Amino acid sequence: EAGVVQSPRYKIIEKKQPVAFWCNPISGHNTLYWYRQNLGQGPELLIRYENEEAVDDSQLPKDRFSAERLKGVDSTLKIQPAELGDSAVYLCASSLDPIWEQNTEAFFGQGTRLTVV
Amino acid sequence: AQSVAQPEDQVNVAEGNPLTVKCTYSVSGNPYLFWYVQYPNRGLQFLLKYITGDNLVKGSYGFEAEFNKSQTSFHLKKPSALVSDSALYFCAVRVGAILTGGGNKLTFGTGTQLKVEL
Repeated sequence: EAGVVQSPRYKIIEKKQPVAFWCNPISGHNTLYWYRQNLGQGPELLIRYENEEAVDDSQLPKDRFSAERLKGVDSTLKIQPAELGDSAVYLCASSLDPIWEQNTEAFFGQGTRLTVV
Repeated sequence: AQSVAQPEDQVNVAEGNPLTVKCTYSVSGNPYLFWYVQYPNRGLQFLLKYITGDNLVKGSYGFEAEFNKSQTSFHLKKPSALVSDSALYFCAVRVGAILTGGGNKLTFGTGTQLKVEL
């Protein structure tokens, strides 16, 4: 079974430029997360989807960040315009519907390492 | 609000010795607890979880963790460390029961770097 797939793996852009990340979750996983991980720190939630609905986007900087999950499957996260402080690893994860309590762990992709110069 | 604390930035242990990586949590409601490991330039890999039942849970690569409700802790352990266990370890928590409205929000600690030496 394929895991969570993210692309690109690495991205270097100049500040003020736009950037987009793509994530394809594990088949059948209704919950999708975007996390940001700064160097030496734990992942911090940016947005969480239940199917196509964003149920928690309180940590998403909405002035420059946007996300979508059309059709409730794959998702894109966009930054426009990027700032130097956005340099980080952006992780996507997915998990089964929370109703199925025994299968509640999240599975992560390899992440996209963004460098803004 | 839910939170996780990993009090040690780094843990050093000799190969063959037992290891413990500490984690305490704070959550309103029943906690679901998780351990993940991260190798350099890789995503997080799931190790084990506590949902309910036996307080001692066993996971991948010989790791286990003990849930202690009174101390709100979920320490990761391994009886005999290997050099290949050297990595960054994250503890995470979410609220368990759907009825409490906790949903599926997963909160991570800041991570503990484990270094196993020969």
